Amino acid sequence: SQTIHQWPATLVQPVGSPLSLECTVEGTSNPNLYWYRQAAGRGLQLLFYSVGIGQISSEVPQNLSASRPQDRQFILSSKKLLLSDSGFYLCAWSVPRISYEQYFGPGTRLTVT
Amino acid sequence: GEDVEQSLFLSVREGDSSVINCTYTDSSSTYLYWYKQEPGAGLQLLTYIFSNMDMKQDQRLTVLLNKKDKHLSLRIADTQTGDSAIYFCAELRMEYGNKLVFGAGTILRVKS
Repeated sequence: SQTIHQWPATLVQPVGSPLSLECTVEGTSNPNLYWYRQAAGRGLQLLFYSVGIGQISSEVPQNLSASRPQDRQFILSSKKLLLSDSGFYLCAWSVPRISYEQYFGPGTRLTVT
Repeated sequence: GEDVEQSLFLSVREGDSSVINCTYTDSSSTYLYWYKQEPGAGLQLLTYIFSNMDMKQDQRLTVLLNKKDKHLSLRIADTQTGDSAIYFCAELRMEYGNKLVFGAGTILRVKS
């Protein structure tokens, strides 16, 4: 069966510090991968998606970047965090099949102080 | 418009039925989804429906789709306190990456 992992689960970082959040998927190959941010426990904002190694599409201009160094690994990064980067970050995967449903990881709670 | 719209809040009594409504935007969307999010957790896929269906039932969950009005609903029968959560509807947009576009979520509160 497929599983998705995210770490860390929680993170408190000062403004101006770097960020690296990691997401890995097990039990599937060549998934589509997604990073979302959820502010204040409500709507999801799609940040990045990837259909393959090294292929990253950005949805919104921002202080963040994403990379996919391996097929089942997706990394969200920042060189200098802003207060507005605080939120709940969710990684998701989908198999490019006809129904395209996405499966989410447990999330990372980021607080920038 | 671009947004998938949902009512913000729903409160029901334990044992009653809950109906969560959603209006989506793209009449060509082929799949529509319902997700559940419990506090501090990721999103859990509850069910999805293909656009050529009017209804899909899965145990206590019933999804109704009105394609003409672009209206989707989720009915939860015999609502339990464990159903308290945020419920998101989403539509599939057939663009690069086959993106899901989510509504803002409906907070369901179940009173015992």
